[in-house]
Amino acid sequence: DAGVIQSPRHEVTEMGQEVTLRCKLISGHNSLFWYRQTMMRGLELLIYFNNNVPIDDSGMPEDRFSAKMPNASFSTLKIQPSEPRDSAVYFCASSPRTGGGKAGAFFGQGTRLTVV
Amino acid sequence: GENVEQHPSTLSVQEGDSAVIKCTYSDSASNYFPWYKQELGKRPQLIIDIRSNVGEKKDQRIAVTLNKTAKHFSLHITETQPEDSAVYFCAASIGTYKYIFGTGTRLKVLA
Repeated sequence: DAGVIQSPRHEVTEMGQEVTLRCKLISGHNSLFWYRQTMMRGLELLIYFNNNVPIDDSGMPEDRFSAKMPNASFSTLKIQPSEPRDSAVYFCASSPRTGGGKAGAFFGQGTRLTVV
Repeated sequence: GENVEQHPSTLSVQEGDSAVIKCTYSDSASNYFPWYKQELGKRPQLIIDIRSNVGEKKDQRIAVTLNKTAKHFSLHITETQPEDSAVYFCAASIGTYKYIFGTGTRLKVLA
């Protein structure tokens, strides 16, 4: 298993453009998290899904942000229109249920987004 | 609201010394506490975890302790090495699916 896979690894875009970040979960995991990491705010949970259903999107900063999970293994995070303050590293993580076994979230390598 | 506080924000130790990072959580229902290590430019990686029915867990030079009554949990690294230098995050489970992370501790091990 290759772990959580994110693409692209780096994205540079102009303000106002649409950005789509992609994530493939670890096979067998049923929870999916999107995090944003900046120096100022640390690791922020944006949204998480369980069994493809969005459970909590209270961390999504604005309506410009949206996330989907069209199937059990794939998710996208879209920013439209993007702004310079969206510049950050965006991590996707997946997890089995916390009820048993090793259940921490396993992170992808992240997408470094720069909006100019 | 749900919150995890982590201290200190930075920690410098001499190689071979011990390092301790402390976290406090707010949700008394939290029952799972993972710790992550993030090296510069890389992803957070799970290094050790503890469940609420256990008070202490050890894995080689790393140990975690949990005090449920006080809602405190700590990471202990003994015989620190330069490769231990990284940012360490604690986290607490909220409900079945969610994790809240601490703000991170930047550990520097001085050779």
